[in-house]
Amino acid sequence: AQKVTQAQTEISVVEKEDVTLDCVYETRDTTYYLFWYKQPPSGELVFLIRRNSFDEQNEISGRYSWNFQKSTSSFNFTITASQVVDSAVYFCALSEAGANNLFFGTGTRLTVIP
Amino acid sequence: ETGVTQTPRHLVMGMTNKKSLKCEQHLGHNAMYWYKQSAKKPLELMFVYSLEERVENNSVPSRFSPECPNSSHLFLHLHTLQPEDSALYLCASSQDGGLYNEQFFGPGTRLTVL
Repeated sequence: AQKVTQAQTEISVVEKEDVTLDCVYETRDTTYYLFWYKQPPSGELVFLIRRNSFDEQNEISGRYSWNFQKSTSSFNFTITASQVVDSAVYFCALSEAGANNLFFGTGTRLTVIP
Repeated sequence: ETGVTQTPRHLVMGMTNKKSLKCEQHLGHNAMYWYKQSAKKPLELMFVYSLEERVENNSVPSRFSPECPNSSHLFLHLHTLQPEDSALYLCASSQDGGLYNEQFFGPGTRLTVL
């Protein structure tokens, strides 16, 4: 079973629409970290956010916001008022602190249409 | 730019060739990583080096041989590869070797094995 599931393979939205990227994770560790990375066409993954398992507060950074729900093992990412520059592949990842493992999801390709 | 560079950006090699991928980080980090990114599969962590010592080797075939001569440089030596090894190989670095850390990625080397 995959540790990190990103069920949406591809999403297309029109510019200025809001979009939510889903991430569901699986772990037995009590201490773990969740990440989102963005991979633009240039190839390098760009770090967006890290949350630890003890901090369920939602976070907002500009047009980006993250909703961490331990009860549903989800860490969803919302982009409001999407822009063409948001077009990229977005990866969710899980790090289990005890085992020092890191698992990525398969990514969601977001296309923002002008 | 993330401060992590990789060369070459593209590489085509035959199954009997020997080649090396190079990664350099200019961030003063102590840990470096090799990942393999294949189409429609999760990003796979291959090797982790912390303070120039290999700390993780995730069941990678011996035809991939990493080398970390110092904390700023990481190589991946390739020999007798198979066509299924064709992928994007990403290098990353972080402050230390805990996989709970934010990682900074290079742009990758697109490898094609004929």
